[in-house]
Amino acid sequence: DTGVSQNPRHKITKRGQNVTFRCDPISEHNRLYWYRQTLGQGPEFLTYFQNEAQLEKSRLLSDRFSAERPKGSFSTLEIQRTEQGDSAMYLCASSLGDSNSPLHFGNGTRLTVT
Amino acid sequence: QQQVKQSPQSLIVQKGGIPIINCAYENTAFDYFPWYQQFPGKGPALLIAIRPDVSEKKEGRFTISFNKSAKQFSLHIMDSQPGDSATYFCAASIGGSNYKLTFGKGTLLTVNP
Repeated sequence: DTGVSQNPRHKITKRGQNVTFRCDPISEHNRLYWYRQTLGQGPEFLTYFQNEAQLEKSRLLSDRFSAERPKGSFSTLEIQRTEQGDSAMYLCASSLGDSNSPLHFGNGTRLTVT
Repeated sequence: QQQVKQSPQSLIVQKGGIPIINCAYENTAFDYFPWYQQFPGKGPALLIAIRPDVSEKKEGRFTISFNKSAKQFSLHIMDSQPGDSATYFCAASIGGSNYKLTFGKGTLLTVNP
């Protein structure tokens, strides 16, 4: 399978703990995106990387959230001091480098904060 | 402020029917309008997309109709099948930046056999 891969698929954590998710994009894609999807809603844009550079961050990405793409390949999204409101599906997507290329989404990491 | 309003929230049709899902947007700077299909436990997958220079686009059984003056666009699924049962999202973005999508809330489509 050469699609976008996300791990873990599910994560249950207690409030106040830190969590980290990983995304492996399609290999030739140099753009990578994180979105968040809560129940009954469409995905919401969080942040975007071109290669290893983080070029845009949404206001939704509070100081407790940090995303990295150290070598321009895989990316990690860390949430510190998790809150119940962080419970959601975290989706990663990737695309080629031109603005017309469609986004290819992974199957997401479902986070539950108890 | 919800910039893309999608309706209906849910829709049930019989096999062979033509479900229609509607979206309305507010921001006239939007210039890219994709539709995504999402099955339970999966990420959204791009179905079809349109830009405002055309009023209709067809790909297989899926058609987008676009009305720029009304700021509305819709998805029609011809000859719907039970396998089309999924949640459908419309979205929009600005200035060719099709990565920063604003999504509607989704429509849960059920196609009965």
